[in-house]
Amino acid sequence: NAGVMQNPRHLVRRRGQEARLRCSPMKGHSHVYWYRQLPEEGLKFMVYLQKENIIDESGMPKERFSAEFPKEGPSILRIQQVVRGDSAAYFCASSLRLAGEQETQYFGPGTRLLVL
Amino acid sequence: SQQGEEDPQALSIQEGENATMNCSYKTSINNLQWYRQNSGRGLVHLILIRSNEREKHSGRLRVTLDTSKKSSSLLITASRAADTASYFCATDKNSGYALNFGKGTSLLVTP
Repeated sequence: NAGVMQNPRHLVRRRGQEARLRCSPMKGHSHVYWYRQLPEEGLKFMVYLQKENIIDESGMPKERFSAEFPKEGPSILRIQQVVRGDSAAYFCASSLRLAGEQETQYFGPGTRLLVL
Repeated sequence: SQQGEEDPQALSIQEGENATMNCSYKTSINNLQWYRQNSGRGLVHLILIRSNEREKHSGRLRVTLDTSKKSSSLLITASRAADTASYFCATDKNSGYALNFGKGTSLLVTP
């Protein structure tokens, strides 16, 4: 059973461009979580999605950021008109059931975004 | 902020020694988790301790939790070079899934 897959692993964008980050959860997992790790910081929760539904986007910046988890295909984190401050590592995690005390989140290797 | 804060920021020990990392947090929690991150890789879940537990063991790992002091410690006994990694504590926002991680402790175990 392959783990959580993320691609690309590294992404370079110029200011104003769009960044699309993909996450394929572990097989059978329908709960996906996105986190952002700014340089020298810990990971911060951004958004929690189930198939075709955004459940909790309380950690997501209000502008330029969006996420989706379609019925078919990977979850996508989309950042429009990127700025230098968006440079960070973006991690995706998935779980079989809603994560909590009885259910662990499994993390992918992350996508490192660099905005020039 | 409910964010955990680990200390020390960096720790260097020799194989066979024990490594102790600490985590402090600011608000009440349901549980606290420890994760490991090898360089350039994703996080791996190590252990979860509930707020009503004081100590938990898993192999060479021992975690303690003191809710009165809002602190936790992770002890790795008989360390190995393969334990070299960054270690993070994580707390949740009462949701169970929206984890917030501290900046981590970078552990280096030399042969």
